[in-house]
Amino acid sequence: DVKVTQSSRYLVKRTGEKVFLECVQDMDHENMFWYRQDPGLGLRLIYFSYDVKMKEKGDIPEGYSVSREKKERFSLILESASTNQTSMYLCASSPTGVAQPQHFGDGTRLSIL
Amino acid sequence: QQQVKQSPQSLIVQKGGISIINCAYENTAFDYFPWYQQFPGKGPALLIAIRPDVSEKKEGRFTISFNKSAKQFSLHIMDSQPGDSATYFCAAKPNTGANSKLTFGKGITLSVRP
Repeated sequence: DVKVTQSSRYLVKRTGEKVFLECVQDMDHENMFWYRQDPGLGLRLIYFSYDVKMKEKGDIPEGYSVSREKKERFSLILESASTNQTSMYLCASSPTGVAQPQHFGDGTRLSIL
Repeated sequence: QQQVKQSPQSLIVQKGGISIINCAYENTAFDYFPWYQQFPGKGPALLIAIRPDVSEKKEGRFTISFNKSAKQFSLHIMDSQPGDSATYFCAAKPNTGANSKLTFGKGITLSVRP
């Protein structure tokens, strides 16, 4: 079974802090993704990566950056956290190919105070 | 512009009934249409998926119906059970490259009453 592990289930941070969310997958997938999930807005793609050290902006990249130094690990960085970044963050991975499913972690619920 | 629209926004069904969730899309380059199921506290998980070369795909109690000309696809859950209560997302992906990204609908909450 594919396992996508997010380092924290719950995280509370203060406005202006630099926040790191970590994600690790164990299936040697090329592609990794970061989404945020908000009520009524569904899943919105923040950034994705299709190879080590490669990244592409998703639909809502503002205020975020990412790092992929190793194939199995994809980090989401909030450079200066703001209250509107309070959300559920979901990481996913998939093999390359059109009909390849994305496998999700169980999410990190981040609260910015 | 929302490229994948789900309806209804929420759904309540009696145990044993049929749950039907619809999705409409606009991009004719979409080539892969998965449905994801999400339980509280968990990430979404792939439920069933279809490519446009077939009009229907069935896996157990779950069926996807696909209408290419109408640019619509739907999920049917037969004999709905309380354990099916979850959030359901439709999604679509274009065949514009191996690394093209999924576009998700906003999700609907299904409640199956005992």
